[in-house]
Amino acid sequence: EAGVVQSPRYKIIEKKQPVAFWCNPISGHNTLYWYLQNLGQGPELLIRYENEEAVDDSQLPKDRFSAERLKGVDSTLKIQPAELGDSAVYLCASSAALGGYNEQFFGPGTRLTVL
Amino acid sequence: GQQLNQSPQSMFIQEGEDVSMNCTSSSIFNTWLWYKQDPGEGPVLLIALYKAGELTSNGRLTAQFGITRKDSFLNISASIPSDVGIYFCAGANTGNQFYFGTGTSLTVIP
Repeated sequence: EAGVVQSPRYKIIEKKQPVAFWCNPISGHNTLYWYLQNLGQGPELLIRYENEEAVDDSQLPKDRFSAERLKGVDSTLKIQPAELGDSAVYLCASSAALGGYNEQFFGPGTRLTVL
Repeated sequence: GQQLNQSPQSMFIQEGEDVSMNCTSSSIFNTWLWYKQDPGEGPVLLIALYKAGELTSNGRLTAQFGITRKDSFLNISASIPSDVGIYFCAGANTGNQFYFGTGTSLTVIP
């Protein structure tokens, strides 16, 4: 079974440029997460989707960040315009709560460097 | 967002030694997960716990769901060089919202 797929793995852009990250969750997982991970810290939630619906986006900086999951499968996270402080790893994860058991699986992440 | 407290922050041990780390929260959780993250990779799920007091093993790894439901513990027996990495705990309450710990960095000296 394929895991969570993310692309690109690495991205280097200049500040004020736009950038987009793509995620394909594990097949059948209805919950999709985007996390931000700064160096030396644990993942911090940006947005959580249940199918197509964004059920928790309270930590998403909506002035520059946006996300979509149009068909309830893959998702795109966009930053426009990027700032120096956005340099971090952006992780996508998915989960499926089945019979009360809930496990969350991560993709390899996209490492963003803003110059 | 909420981050759980993990300790120790880092560990340097000799190969073959046992390792213990823990994670605490001010909130009650009904799920605890433990992850390992290698450099340049996403976190990989090691163990999942769903019941207070539960003790679960995965090879040389053993994790426990604390009785108070506010903490969890991970032990690694007979450490080997490939155990090197950062270990994260994560807790979840009802629903699919997870909170992550600050991480424990493990270095194994051959």
